[in-house]
Amino acid sequence: ELVLMQSPGTLSVSPGEAATLSCRASQNIGIDLAWYQQKPGRPPRLLIYGSFTRATGVPDRFSGSGSGTDFSLTISSLQTEDSAVYFCQNYAHWSHRFGQGTKLEIK
Amino acid sequence: QVQLVQSGGGVVQPGGSLTLSCAASGFTLSRYYMHWVRQAPGKGLEWATFISLEGTNTLYADSVKGRFTVSRDTSTNTLYLQMNSLRPDDTAVYFCAKEVGLGTGAFDSWGQGTLVTVSS
Repeated sequence: ELVLMQSPGTLSVSPGEAATLSCRASQNIGIDLAWYQQKPGRPPRLLIYGSFTRATGVPDRFSGSGSGTDFSLTISSLQTEDSAVYFCQNYAHWSHRFGQGTKLEIK
Repeated sequence: QVQLVQSGGGVVQPGGSLTLSCAASGFTLSRYYMHWVRQAPGKGLEWATFISLEGTNTLYADSVKGRFTVSRDTSTNTLYLQMNSLRPDDTAVYFCAKEVGLGTGAFDSWGQGTLVTVSS
């Protein structure tokens, strides 16, 4: 059974700096990985799919990379509105599994 | 624009049933794979079920298999989730979600979410 492990659990970064979030898969998933941002009381928002393709309307401050088992989401020039929980998701073989999430705090 | 508007949540006793609705606008349901995803209070996201373009193929997470049924009504452009034999661990916010495109697997549009509470 595929497992997605996200790290760190919580990340605290100052505005203007960059943040890198990690997602590691327990088996090779190619580039079948998406990233979502979720704010309290709101549905998730798709940021990245296919490991690095930015979803419509997503600022280019958000970038994804990786393949196989190791993936990253990098947010440059952090803004206060980026404070949220970020989830990775794999959709290979219809598994649609999510990571446990990384909470990003803007200092 | 694409919009998914959910209804039908509430409080139900263990063993009870509930049906959730997800009305789509701005696109045709039958042209996209659709899913239900749930999120227990304070927890992460859990994929629950998928329905194909024609509505003939469905998939379910092991945690809901045999108890939940996903369906769609093309005449009203509405997605449904029939939930039976509900258990306290089914308590969650349920989201309907649309795939970006056929087989991409990522969800680019989500309903607002509806809370289902299973409690006596």
